[in-house]
Amino acid sequence: EPEVTQTPSHQVTQMGQEVILRCVPISNHLYFYWYRQILGQKVEFLVSFYNNEISEKSEIFDDQFSVERPDGSNFTLKIRSTKLEDSAMYFCASSEQGSFGYGYTFGSGTRLTVV
Amino acid sequence: DQQVKQNSPSLSVQEGRISILNCDYTNSMFDYFLWYKKYPAEGPTFLISISSIKDKNEDGRFTVFLNKSAKHLSLHIVPSQPGDSAVYFCAAMGNNAGNMLTFGGGTRLMVKP
Repeated sequence: EPEVTQTPSHQVTQMGQEVILRCVPISNHLYFYWYRQILGQKVEFLVSFYNNEISEKSEIFDDQFSVERPDGSNFTLKIRSTKLEDSAMYFCASSEQGSFGYGYTFGSGTRLTVV
Repeated sequence: DQQVKQNSPSLSVQEGRISILNCDYTNSMFDYFLWYKKYPAEGPTFLISISSIKDKNEDGRFTVFLNKSAKHLSLHIVPSQPGDSAVYFCAAMGNNAGNMLTFGGGTRLMVKP
C-alpha cells in the first residue's frame, strides 16, 4: 500500500537553529499538508499546499515556517529559528484531490525536540 | 477554541462488546466528519467518514452516526477486538479550499481480551 514517508523520525535541535523536516508524499497525490501534535494536545493543522502554492495556513504557521516542494517528489517544512514551544510531533499528509479526507494519508511523523 | 471536542479521554471495553466513541462540534459550517485511528509512533489512519447530508455510514464493524441538530457524532465498533486498542480522533472539515481538518483531542480505547 502506498505510504507517505517522513524523515527523520526524530530530530533534536538547539533553540534558534533552523530545521527542515522532509516528506515524500504518495506519488499521484496533488494536495500536501503539515500537521503537528504537541505532547498531550490535539493534532493541529499547519498548512496545505496545492499546485505549488499554499492554499491555506493556520495562525500557527507564522513567518518562521515555510514549505517547499523542491523537486517534484519531496515536500519540506522549514522552521527558521526554532523555539522550545516548537517541540512536537510533525505529521505530513497527502491526498489525491479535495477529497474530504478519503485519500488523506498521513506519514508516521517526525518528533522534533528543541532544547 | 475547541470546535471539535471528545469529552472522554479514555474508554475501556471487553472484547466482543460494543465500543461507542463520542464527539461534539460547535461549528455549523462543518460539512464532513471523519474518524481516525492512531497507534503510538504512527500517523493517524483514516477509518470512516460521513457527509453532513447523511445520518449514518457503515463499513464492516465500524458505524458512524451523525446528529446534526445536536452537533454530535459517534463511532460504534462492534464487536470490539483487542487490535482496536488505539487512540481515536474525530475530525471535521468545512467547505474550505485548503481541505483543513480540525481534530478533537482523542479518546484512548482499550479493548480487554
